[in-house]
Amino acid sequence: AQSVTQLGSHVSVSEGALVLLRCNYSSSVPPYLFWYVQYPNQGLQLLLKYTSAATLVKGINGFEAEFKKSETSFHLTKPSAHMSDAAEYFCAVSVSGANNLFFGTGTRLTVIP
Amino acid sequence: ETGVTQSPTHLIKTRGQQVTLRCSSQSGHNTVSWYQQALGQGPQFIFQYYREEENGRGNFPPRFSGLQFPNYSSELNVNALELDDSALYLCASSRLGFQVNTEAFFGQGTRLTVV
Repeated sequence: AQSVTQLGSHVSVSEGALVLLRCNYSSSVPPYLFWYVQYPNQGLQLLLKYTSAATLVKGINGFEAEFKKSETSFHLTKPSAHMSDAAEYFCAVSVSGANNLFFGTGTRLTVIP
Repeated sequence: ETGVTQSPTHLIKTRGQQVTLRCSSQSGHNTVSWYQQALGQGPQFIFQYYREEENGRGNFPPRFSGLQFPNYSSELNVNALELDDSALYLCASSRLGFQVNTEAFFGQGTRLTVV
């Protein structure tokens, strides 16, 4: 069985500050890991994905995430927050690629000007 | 823009009624997955359709059913609606083949309110 825990349902950062959104996963087999972003009244947009290649994954909009097997983590970071980054972020895990994704409960990012 | 379209965008139904939600998959994709996202929660997998057959199902009762058509578009049907069925319903389009698929594109969703 797979599951995802996102620590912190709300995170606030100042514009220009580091963004760190935490995700820990549980999986009995090597996982595929994803970060999605959801803007108000929108669907989900893929930010980045880990597919057992490089452990440091770069995504869109300056985001990146590092897969750490020893810590069962896949935290999302961005060096400098922009106002447009304000949204809900979801971490997801799967053992079959992008099928049957198990999502976390989400982290709402607020960017303070 | 992903090319996955869902209709309608909003819907209000009465408890006990039936509802049909529609999804057009992205060109070249042969698989559609449906997710339910309750307010303040992450999406939960309902089921997936591949080549017109159900290809995996989450923990949802049989009153949630689906169809996939030869053009790979899909419908989600929910019978005997309950108040807890109020949610955003998301459709995701992808392509299954010999290699593991790692791309799923989501539509904008249908907001269902059951009163």
